[in-house]
Amino acid sequence: KNEVEQSPQNLTAQEGEFITINCSYSVGISALHWLQQHPGGGIVSLFMLSSGKKKHGRLIATINIQEKHSSLHITASHPRDSAVYICAVPPRMNYGGSQGNLIFGKGTKLSVKP
Amino acid sequence: NAGVTQTPKFRVLKTGQSMTLLCAQDMNHEYMYWYRQDPGMGLRLIHYSVGEGTTAKGEVPDGYNVSRLKKQNFLLGLESAAPSQTSVYFCASSRVRSRDTQYFGPGTRLTVL
Repeated sequence: KNEVEQSPQNLTAQEGEFITINCSYSVGISALHWLQQHPGGGIVSLFMLSSGKKKHGRLIATINIQEKHSSLHITASHPRDSAVYICAVPPRMNYGGSQGNLIFGKGTKLSVKP
Repeated sequence: NAGVTQTPKFRVLKTGQSMTLLCAQDMNHEYMYWYRQDPGMGLRLIHYSVGEGTTAKGEVPDGYNVSRLKKQNFLLGLESAAPSQTSVYFCASSRVRSRDTQYFGPGTRLTVL
């Protein structure tokens, strides 16, 4: 089974700060997902990446395949960024992704204060 | 498009009662999943389907059954609810495989007394 570890578990920041959330996994993968869970509970996909870096607005996701590590960065953080950020990867038995399912980290709860 | 919808949004059951959660997607996705989310734990896969008429067990399948009679619908059943099944249940769908974006429903909060 592919293990997924996220850090930190909780993060409090002041508005405008640069934020980094980390994700490490134990075995090789075909793609890594970052998701956001809003305080109301809804889950949306932010990024899916297999190499390099992706950017969407103030969010940047990077991945280092060799080190089995990914980071999610938020620039100029805002209170509306307060949410739980979740990293997910395919399970070990599913390296090829043929089953489609994912293993999820426990999430990083971000709170941005005004 | 409505995306992925779930019914009901909330439900309270007594131990031993049965119920069915309905998930529907209008994106013509092949893959559908049922997850549960418990405090302090990541989302865990209960069952999944790779196409109409197919289902398979995930990480925590015990106590649940599923059916995918139509491509757009994925049903999760609890035959005899137990307090350990108190959780928030999420349905998701994706076009094909784990390299594709998964789209989530709004969740169903289930309490078993």
